[in-house]
Amino acid sequence: QKEVEQDPGPLSVPEGAIVSLNCTYSNSAFQYFMWYRQYSRKGPELLMYTYSSGNKEDGRFTAQVDKSSKYISLFIRDSQPSDSATYLCAMLLVSGDNDMRFGAGTRLTVKP
Amino acid sequence: DGGITQSPKYLFRKEGQNVTLSCEQNLNHDAMYWYRQDPGQGLRLIYYSQIVNDFQKGDIAEGYSVSREKKESFPLTVTSAQKNPTAFYLCATEQGRDEKLFFGSGTQLSVL
Repeated sequence: QKEVEQDPGPLSVPEGAIVSLNCTYSNSAFQYFMWYRQYSRKGPELLMYTYSSGNKEDGRFTAQVDKSSKYISLFIRDSQPSDSATYLCAMLLVSGDNDMRFGAGTRLTVKP
Repeated sequence: DGGITQSPKYLFRKEGQNVTLSCEQNLNHDAMYWYRQDPGQGLRLIYYSQIVNDFQKGDIAEGYSVSREKKESFPLTVTSAQKNPTAFYLCATEQGRDEKLFFGSGTQLSVL
């Protein structure tokens, strides 16, 4: 079993749809959770960062963490074609840990 | 991207050849990382360095080598011992211990 599981998709939605991206993890000791967005043949860029259970909102993006279920989600409201990218979840055990664990990434296409 | 330069963008390796991937940063970040990205898999850590003249192995260090002679530079050598080098290689930096990685635009390495 992988430490971090993420459905690779691909996921295709119409413009304006609400998108839900998810990851599950096996190690309950993970404390820090991130979502990165990666455009084709580019490096990932940090989108959302959280270290507690609950929701964190930033514009059209909401990151949700459920530590009891070992499940994290990223919601995108009013999705735009420019949101088309691969979304990677990532997590860390402790602050200062150098070994971030990544999901495989979900490829999202938002159609105009 | 911004402040992290990876070169070349595309690189081809012949059988038995060592190749070196460049990573330069002007963000004044202490920590630097090398990740390998394969389709359908999460990013995997090859090597990381927290300070000049010091580096540590990640999960998949075999067949790779690094150096950190300057704070700004963290080159990765893919040696002939790495039998399956075809992948997208990403360099990243981290400011202090805030768990947020900044990525370069990557190098695609392919075997001829």
